[in-house]
Amino acid sequence: GAGVSQSPRYKVAKRGQDVALRCDPISGHVSLFWYQQALGQGPEFLTYFQNEAQLDKSGLPSDRFFAERPEGSVSTLKIQRTQQEDSAVYLCASSVGQGNTIYFGEGSWLTVV
Amino acid sequence: SQQGEEDPQALSIQEGENATMNCSYKTSINNLQWYRQNSGRGLVHLILIRSNEREKHSGRLRVTLDTSKKSSSLLITASRAADTASYFCARTGNTPLVFGKGTRLSVIA
Repeated sequence: GAGVSQSPRYKVAKRGQDVALRCDPISGHVSLFWYQQALGQGPEFLTYFQNEAQLDKSGLPSDRFFAERPEGSVSTLKIQRTQQEDSAVYLCASSVGQGNTIYFGEGSWLTVV
Repeated sequence: SQQGEEDPQALSIQEGENATMNCSYKTSINNLQWYRQNSGRGLVHLILIRSNEREKHSGRLRVTLDTSKKSSSLLITASRAADTASYFCARTGNTPLVFGKGTRLSVIA
């Protein structure tokens, strides 16, 4: 596609509900990243894929967070039993490979009430 | 944790003036990338500068990199109201992009 596409753009979840956020990277991009951005802060790294392999998940804040990219293209970030502190913008990004420009999507805005 | 630090945190200038934002980092880098983020939007890539480069230009943007001081700067010349946004530097080293908290630039018409 023309750019990184994320859905939903906005999600309101009740505390305790599970959510799934989808990312369609730029076609052919090998690397895929997830970031979390709280209001007024810079993006914080969550996890990184190279093709279908999750090479780094050190940024996932708890075991309630899970990401997958089973076919090396579309990725899903799942948050189980959402808490209020999970409210943030979740940004997906992709790149042709290590050391190259990383392009971001518009983000998925999650509000947990 | 955020290992890139932008300075200043906020900057307000008049339209037509130049804006300079600085970025410092602590560990070695492969490259450093600058991004712009408008309120409520995603990050837009501006410039990538590699560790063996010292300066890059793109339109009204000029980025410098001093690896000995572990710092970079972004200069926006002849600023416009549309340049109002947050600007982030992010470094790539042994880990994926690490961002600072950004500089919030306000350009007053």
